[in-house]
Amino acid sequence: AQTVTQSQPEMSVQEAETVTLSCTYDTSESDYYLFWYKQPPSRQMILVIRQEAYKQQNATENRFSVNFQKAAKSFSLKISDSQLGDAAMYFCAYRGIYGNKLVFGAGTILRVKS
Amino acid sequence: GAVVSQHPSWVICKSGTSVKIECRSLDFQATTMFWYRQFPKQSLMLMATSNEGSKATYEQGVEKDKFLINHASLTLSTLTVTSAHPEDSSFYICSARDYRDWLSDTQYFGPGTRLTVL
Repeated sequence: AQTVTQSQPEMSVQEAETVTLSCTYDTSESDYYLFWYKQPPSRQMILVIRQEAYKQQNATENRFSVNFQKAAKSFSLKISDSQLGDAAMYFCAYRGIYGNKLVFGAGTILRVKS
Repeated sequence: GAVVSQHPSWVICKSGTSVKIECRSLDFQATTMFWYRQFPKQSLMLMATSNEGSKATYEQGVEKDKFLINHASLTLSTLTVTSAHPEDSSFYICSARDYRDWLSDTQYFGPGTRLTVL
């Protein structure tokens, strides 16, 4: 079974600085999708970024980018120019290409200091 | 973008009563919807996968008779918590997949429903 591990329960970053959230996963599949979701205090889950495993190029979405290391099974999220609105719980998630379910990590609480 | 709604957003009920939560995809059709449960500061726990027109698939450890799921149309799935007890108090979240986007599987999440059982 696939597992997703987020080893940082909490992280803090100063406003305008850069922070990296870690995620590792375990799978025997060669094709899959990886996601980062943000859950702010409203608890609405918001898709931040998505990476297809067959793509070597790291996905980017404005201030958000990932460092996808397939061999190491690592999928970290970098947030540049952190803003107060980035404060949230961040979840890393995995889905096999033929599977149906998302497998979530335990989450990382990100605090942004002004 | 795709929008998923949930109703109600919060509900308080007495122990022993049943509560129904609705999940609707507003601007797309969803052949598959998912129901999650989340405790404070914890991750989402998948309860069941709901497929339109067929029985839901429950995760191990989830009581089928306690959490009834119905996916009667391509835009609506319901979760009924039967004979609710205080331990059922939690935050329930649904998500839906756009049937046209079956390969990439972007799941769109509802805003969640907070259930409190007294």
